[in-house]
Amino acid sequence: KQEVTQIPAALSVPEGENLVLNCSFTDSAIYNLQWFRQDPGKGLTSLLLIQSSQREQTSGRLNASLDKSSGRSTLYIAASQPGDSATYLCAVRPNTGNQFYFGTGTSLTVIP
Amino acid sequence: DGGITQSPKYLFRKEGQNVTLSCEQNLNHDAMYWYRQDPGQGLRLIYYSQIVNDFQKGDIAEGYSVSREKKESFPLTVTSAQKNPTAFYLCASIRGQGAREAFFGQGTRLTVV
Repeated sequence: KQEVTQIPAALSVPEGENLVLNCSFTDSAIYNLQWFRQDPGKGLTSLLLIQSSQREQTSGRLNASLDKSSGRSTLYIAASQPGDSATYLCAVRPNTGNQFYFGTGTSLTVIP
Repeated sequence: DGGITQSPKYLFRKEGQNVTLSCEQNLNHDAMYWYRQDPGQGLRLIYYSQIVNDFQKGDIAEGYSVSREKKESFPLTVTSAQKNPTAFYLCASIRGQGAREAFFGQGTRLTVV
């Protein structure tokens, strides 16, 4: 069974700083990896989707990379803002089966 | 606007009662999923459905039931057999082909009183 880990569990940074969130997975046979944002008491908002054949995806100040062979993905947030404060989750979809597996998330606080 | 709608946003259940959580999508997605979220435990899969009239148990299906009579709808019933139903419930859908990006609803907070 795929295991997904996100480190750190919580992160606090001053506004304007660039930061990296990490996601690791145990089985490299993945179909895609997706990064989500969750605000308190809300659902998940899709940020970036990386297919297994891709190395990275970018959207605005966000850049997600994927290294399947090492079982790692990173989410880079440039010039962080207080509005970026939320929990960030990664989810991995294996090549086989119909489930996708979530990490426990990184809670980000950007201090004004 | 296309999306996934979960209702109600908050739900209170008395001990011994069954309650049903609604999930509707107008994205024309084939697959739908129900997850439970508890603090510090991440998302755990309850049930999923790839096509109408078919569904499979996830990791924590005990005490829950679902139906998929229409492509757009995937209601979840939390039965009295579920020992600890207080949690945040999330519904998701995925298009059956292509990129298979997942989209989520806004969630239902269920509390046992």
